[in-house]
Amino acid sequence: AQSVAQPEDQVNVAEGNPLTVKCTYSVSGNPYLFWYVQYPNRGLQFLLKYITGDNLVKGSYGFEAEFNKSQTSFHLKKPSALVSDSALYFCAVRDMGNTPLVFGKGTRLSVIA
Amino acid sequence: GAVVSQHPSWVICKSGTSVKIECRSLDFQATTMFWYRQFPKQSLMLMATSNEGSKATYEQGVEKDKFLINHASLTLSTLTVTSAHPEDSSFYICSARHTGGGNQPQHFGDGTRLSIL
Repeated sequence: AQSVAQPEDQVNVAEGNPLTVKCTYSVSGNPYLFWYVQYPNRGLQFLLKYITGDNLVKGSYGFEAEFNKSQTSFHLKKPSALVSDSALYFCAVRDMGNTPLVFGKGTRLSVIA
Repeated sequence: GAVVSQHPSWVICKSGTSVKIECRSLDFQATTMFWYRQFPKQSLMLMATSNEGSKATYEQGVEKDKFLINHASLTLSTLTVTSAHPEDSSFYICSARHTGGGNQPQHFGDGTRLSIL
C-alpha cells in the first residue's frame, strides 16, 4: 500500500529566504508524486508532479521539487519565499494504476515578513 | 487549466436533512472522480472512488447507504449525505482526473463546508 510522510507539522521561514517542505513516500513500483497547496476554506491546487524524467521538477509559483529514489523523498523547495506562500502543503503519491492519490498529513508553511 | 466546480460552497441545515453536493469537471471529461472528507487541521481522507456509469467504490468504514454517490456523466458526480447528523459536519472535497488517466494529476473542487445543527 502507498503511504506518504510529511515529518513537519509546521515550517516557519523569513520572507526572501529559501524554503523546504519535506516529504517521503512508500509505494510498490514506480511512484507518481504530487504536491498540492491549500488555502483556508478552499480545495487543493496542483503545484507540480513527478512521473518520470529529470529528478528536478519545476512547478507553479516558482516552486520546485527534487525526486530522490534512493532516499524515497520528494521535497518541495523554493529559492525565495513570499508571505503569500503561507498555506497548507500536501504531498501525495499513487502507483501507476488508476488509483486515487494518498496524501500526507500536510505541512503548514508560515512565511514571516 | 483544468477546472473542477463544486457546489454548494457552504451548507447549514437541520439534523435529519439530506444534502446533495455536486462536482463538475468544466473543461475536461473525467471517467473517475474521488470524494474526500477533511477534518480541521487534518489531511484528506478518501471516502469513495466514483466511476462513470458504474457503482462507486467505498473505502473501509464509509457507509455507502449514508453517503450516496452518483456519477451519471463524464462531467458530473454527486454526493448525497442522507439523514445528516452533527457528526457528519465536515469539509467535503471532490476531485476529478482526466479520462486519459495515466499520469494526469487530480484536480480539486473548492470544497463544501457542511454544518449540521
